Amino acid sequence: DVVMTQSPLSLPVTLGQPASISCRSSQSLVYSDGDTYLNWFQQRPGQSPRRLIYKVSNRDSGVPDRFSGSGSGTDFTLKISRVEAEDVGVYYCMQGIHWPWTFGQGTKVEIK
Amino acid sequence: EVQLVESGGGLVQPGGSLRLSCVASGFTFSSFWMSWVRQAPGKGLEWVANIKKDGSEENYVDSVKGRFTISRDNAKNSLYLQMNSLRAEDTAMYFCVRVAADWGQGTLVTVSS
Repeated sequence: DVVMTQSPLSLPVTLGQPASISCRSSQSLVYSDGDTYLNWFQQRPGQSPRRLIYKVSNRDSGVPDRFSGSGSGTDFTLKISRVEAEDVGVYYCMQGIHWPWTFGQGTKVEIK
Repeated sequence: EVQLVESGGGLVQPGGSLRLSCVASGFTFSSFWMSWVRQAPGKGLEWVANIKKDGSEENYVDSVKGRFTISRDNAKNSLYLQMNSLRAEDTAMYFCVRVAADWGQGTLVTVSS
């Protein structure tokens, strides 16, 4: 199975400051169609996961533009330009090219 | 608005069976792959199974192969997960998911004696 490795696993941040989460895959996530199937999810406490980013850098509808995704091949990053209180939760990267699709371990974002 | 509503979870003894259901609305159900994803209490996410638009292809994570069966009824806009030979490690919230983009609220399965 493709292993997705996130870092850090815990991320205390100050309100208004930027935050960055790294995700590395054990295999390339580039599909034969040229697209890279790397998603980012946010899971707030007590809620279902919500997809924020698909295909590395595309924001889902309704996702604030302070969230951005980047990367290629096997190395990816989720950035929050200015953390707000509502951003508290666990963030997961996920690959959707090699079955079984797999998630990273999750990064817990909390306010300092 | 896309809605996915799961049901069928509950407490079951090891070795027992449960059938989860998910009713979908707000989109053309028959046009999308559908999946089940689970999350053990306090743990991360695991993709359990997915099924093609017309039900002609199914994929399972190794830990549930031979025990779980995913199916769908496009006429009823419904997705199912038949879970047999349940184990304690199957205890989790089970989410119905539309192509990773949309998730239900989940239904809790607890396997315990």
